[in-house]
Amino acid sequence: DTGVSQNPRHKITKRGQNVTFRCDPISEHNRLYWYRQTLGQGPEFLTYFQNEAQLEKSRLLSDRFSAERPKGSFSTLEIQRTEQGDSAMYLCASSLAGVGDTIYFGEGSWLTVV
Amino acid sequence: ILNVEQSPQSLHVQEGDSTNFTCSFPSSNFYALHWYRWETAKSPEALFVMTLNGDEKKKGRISATLNTKEGYSYLYIKGSQPEDSATYLCAQETSGSRLTFGEGTQLTVNP
Repeated sequence: DTGVSQNPRHKITKRGQNVTFRCDPISEHNRLYWYRQTLGQGPEFLTYFQNEAQLEKSRLLSDRFSAERPKGSFSTLEIQRTEQGDSAMYLCASSLAGVGDTIYFGEGSWLTVV
Repeated sequence: ILNVEQSPQSLHVQEGDSTNFTCSFPSSNFYALHWYRWETAKSPEALFVMTLNGDEKKKGRISATLNTKEGYSYLYIKGSQPEDSATYLCAQETSGSRLTFGEGTQLTVNP
């Protein structure tokens, strides 16, 4: 099964450290998305890529957050100088580029900042 | 309605009961409505994507309807089973395939 793959699945880090998450989308999917989910809430949109181009970023994505998708394949989400408020699940998803296409999610990466 | 809202927040039913949930969304800037089932420690599983007013989709014992004019969608589960226990999320797709999620309905099916 070549679904959306994310790693690491869990990360515990000290406040102020940098962390990086990786997402491997379903092959041939042009669009790749990052979402964040905190307890009791639905996932919230962070950013998305069409191939290697980052087309939209949410206001939730502060300057400490950066996402890349070199060569339009896998993507990385880096959080610099982590804060306790960054503790959440970070979900990656991918889809073909079309309205109403199914968007497939990975299992998420849990971040705990202590 | 400004946000995507789901009700009820949680639901406990007995095995064999039929149940339904509601998703309300803003009717403006509507492209599609997505339903997901999310079990703990797994990835959200895509159930349905609906785009047209009046759409009805079915997958086994689960079905969904869509009313874009009044801004709501219903998800039905017929003859609930314990393995249906999960959080059911709906999401409105707006421009750029951006999804705005509700907070989900947590379903528990007791044997």
